[in-house]
Formats: sequence, C-alpha cells, structure tokens
Amino acid sequence: GQQVMQIPQYQHVQEGEDFTTYCNSSTTLSNIQWYKQRPGGHPVFLIQLVKSGEVKKQKRLTFQFGEAKKNSSLHITATQTTDVGTYFCAGFSGSNYQLIWGAGTKLIIKP
Amino acid sequence: GAGVSQSPSNKVTEKGKDVELRCDPISGHTALYWYRQSLGQGLEFLIYFQGNSAPDKSGLPSDRFSAERTGGSVSTLTIQRTQQEDSAVYLCASSLVWTENTEAFFGQGTRLTVV
Repeated sequence: GQQVMQIPQYQHVQEGEDFTTYCNSSTTLSNIQWYKQRPGGHPVFLIQLVKSGEVKKQKRLTFQFGEAKKNSSLHITATQTTDVGTYFCAGFSGSNYQLIWGAGTKLIIKP
Repeated sequence: GAGVSQSPSNKVTEKGKDVELRCDPISGHTALYWYRQSLGQGLEFLIYFQGNSAPDKSGLPSDRFSAERTGGSVSTLTIQRTQQEDSAVYLCASSLVWTENTEAFFGQGTRLTVV
C-alpha cells in the first residue's frame, strides 16, 4: 500500500542548531502537510504544500515539496526550546482521498 | 461545532470490558479518521470514513475493534473485550477532501487505560 517514510525518528540538537526532517512517499502526492505535536498534545496543522517544487517559509521554518511531488522536507533554523515536539508529515493521496502519515520526527533540545 | 470533540477525555476500564469512544467532527467535514497513539510513538491509522464510501478498515488491529459513522457525522469506535495492550490515546480527526484544502483537525483524544 501507499507509504510515507519519515526520517530521522529522533534528532537531538543543541539550542541554536538547525533541524531537518525528511519525508518520502512511494507514490505521487496531491499535496503534503506538516503538523507539530507538542508533548501531551495533539497534532496541529502547520502548512500545506500543493505545487511541484514549492517552497514556503514560516519565520525560522522552511518547507519544501519536491519536483516529483514525492518528497518533502522541513528545516528549522536556529532551534529554540519552543520548537520541541514531534513533527509529522502527511501526504494526501488523490487516488483514495486519504492522508497518509509519516511516523514523525521527535525534536529534542539538549540541555 | 467549533472543533473536533471527543468523549470521554479519559477512560479507565477493566480488562475484558467493552468501551465506546465518541468523535464529533467539524460540521461539513466529510472525512473522518481514527488513530491510536501509544506513549512517545507515532500515529497508528485505524479507520477512515469518507462521505458515503465504504470505510477503509485496513488499520483495525483485530476484530475486537469496530467503528461506525452515523449520518455522515458522529463516529463511535468500539473496542470489545479490552486488553491491556489497547491502552493508548485514541485520536479522531476530520477534514475536507479538496486537494487545496485537506487540513486535518484533531480532537483532544481519549486516553484509554485498561487495568
């Protein structure tokens, strides 16, 4: 079946370092979305990318959608303690009208 | 309603009992998802409802799990003869299904503890 692979599973960074998480789909996606889940909370929508090669920025966060619409990345510049949480990608499949979720990348800030 | 509502927020049950979890999606959202999340883990897909289409039940872990969605709105997830490994947070999400707008809105979840 359709899968979205997300790596890495965990990333430990010092505050101020950069963080990147990657998603790869086995099939072409109609769109891809990114969500953040804070500890103890539920996933909250960050952004949606629809167009091939699209790049969007939200302050220190940069989101990219690959040319083939099969991969995506989220990059955080100069991490802060407020960035802690798990970041999920979710690809929308136009063939079965479902969101297919990555396993998430947990961002941990080293003390 | 204003958001996705799930009830109860917490449920403690004895092993072997049946439980029902409820999800009230955002009005007008045709898509509804159930997920299970164990502590520190990712989202485990359980079941997906979309409009009048047959639900995608491919994620249900056993025949003890079932779900229905009445009138295209409220959904209930039923777990029969609960086991300790069923303990987790059960999340419901709803969305539209237009390519340009498929943002999933999550409820706060039901934390199920089987003792």
